[in-house]
Amino acid sequence: AQSVSQHNHHVILSEAASLELGCNYSYGGTVNLFWYVQYPGQHLQLLLKYFSGDPLVKGIKGFEAEFIKSKFSFNLRKPSVQWSDTAEYFCAVRANQGGKLIFGQGTELSVKP
Amino acid sequence: DTGVSQNPRHKITKRGQNVTFRCDPISEHNRLYWYRQTLGQGPEFLTYFQNEAQLEKSRLLSDRFSAERPKGSFSTLEIQRTEQGDSAMYLCASSPTGFRLNEQFFGPGTRLTVL
Repeated sequence: AQSVSQHNHHVILSEAASLELGCNYSYGGTVNLFWYVQYPGQHLQLLLKYFSGDPLVKGIKGFEAEFIKSKFSFNLRKPSVQWSDTAEYFCAVRANQGGKLIFGQGTELSVKP
Repeated sequence: DTGVSQNPRHKITKRGQNVTFRCDPISEHNRLYWYRQTLGQGPEFLTYFQNEAQLEKSRLLSDRFSAERPKGSFSTLEIQRTEQGDSAMYLCASSPTGFRLNEQFFGPGTRLTVL
């Protein structure tokens, strides 16, 4: 069965610090990978996605993620976080095009001004 | 796009009662998904539809749960004989066809509290 593991449950950073959130998945075949973000009081929004091609993908608001197939990882990065990045971040994987998403348990990011 | 809408946004019920939630997807999105999210966890898949056909159901979806999408537009999720363990946020998402098939757009969710 597919599963997704996010290493950090809660991360606290100061503004301008660099961010890296870990995500590993278990599935032997071809996958699509996603990062979703949920700002306080808002619904889940797509941050970025990887389908194929360049393993370094760029998303909205300066976020990027790198797919490393050999490590089954899809870590999220941002060089300099802002207070407005305070949110919960979810990594997700899908094995079949258009099918269900399997989510990790989420990482809560708190950015101190 | 007006976005995915869900009603009601909050529902408080007593154990043993039936509840029904509604999801209106983004117009012309063929696929509609239901997920459940409990505190401190990521969303868990429940079921999904392509048009009116229910294509997959999770083992999490016990016999007390039923979902429909009768005309391929809005969908309803009904929980019969609710239990306290059903308390959660119920999320709906929809996705278009074609090259954007893999993008799911989520609604605000319905928060269910079973007393």
